[in-house]
Amino acid sequence: DSGVTQTPKHLITATGQRVTLRCSPRSGDLSVYWYQQSLDQGLQFLIQYYNGEERAKGNILERFSAQQFPDLHSELNLSSLELGDSALYFCASSVFPDRESTDTQYFGPGTRLTVL
Amino acid sequence: AQKITQTQPGMFVQEKEAVTLDCTYDTSDPSYGLFWYKQPSSGEMIFLIYQGSYDQQNATEGRYSLNFQKARKSANLVISASQLGDSAMYFCAMRGSQGAQKLVFGQGTRLTINP
Repeated sequence: DSGVTQTPKHLITATGQRVTLRCSPRSGDLSVYWYQQSLDQGLQFLIQYYNGEERAKGNILERFSAQQFPDLHSELNLSSLELGDSALYFCASSVFPDRESTDTQYFGPGTRLTVL
Repeated sequence: AQKITQTQPGMFVQEKEAVTLDCTYDTSDPSYGLFWYKQPSSGEMIFLIYQGSYDQQNATEGRYSLNFQKARKSANLVISASQLGDSAMYFCAMRGSQGAQKLVFGQGTRLTINP
């Protein structure tokens, strides 16, 4: 158990709908990352938050948004869902010392999203 | 830009044998970290081992060791005395010291341990 929790574990929805994925980082970790894992794209970084503020954006679609709350949990919002959004969405957390490449990211169990 | 290449889509190994999973990387960052993660069929991503670019010694964690050859830009994972429970996808990843602190992943190697 990495200490990172994600809910829900599975989500099945229809095209055009909106869903919210939730993540709670490990105790003491200030940084949260979201990744998408799909068969064709592999593991792709979406977005990072550090202590409530957005720090970096990756290949995140405009239909997707995220935020980190004062208690450090994070939510990833996916809207106007398309079939191609079906994937495993991971949240990871780390302590994130500035410009420290040794900072290890610990992953949650993931949310498997299926868009029908 | 950072890039990770894992050239072995799949590997089959007999139980109790040692196995080496290949990983090569490309980066212009002066300092970087290399990571290996295991993803069993249940889907979670499990951190295995870390190697820093300035570490003098190869990293080891139990049955896992990292064969780090900086000049060749390779960071191969070695699993000694493989077990049936080692069957999984294995991902090599890199994190730079500049810009976004994201992990860049390779495409993964599916390891199957045969009894």
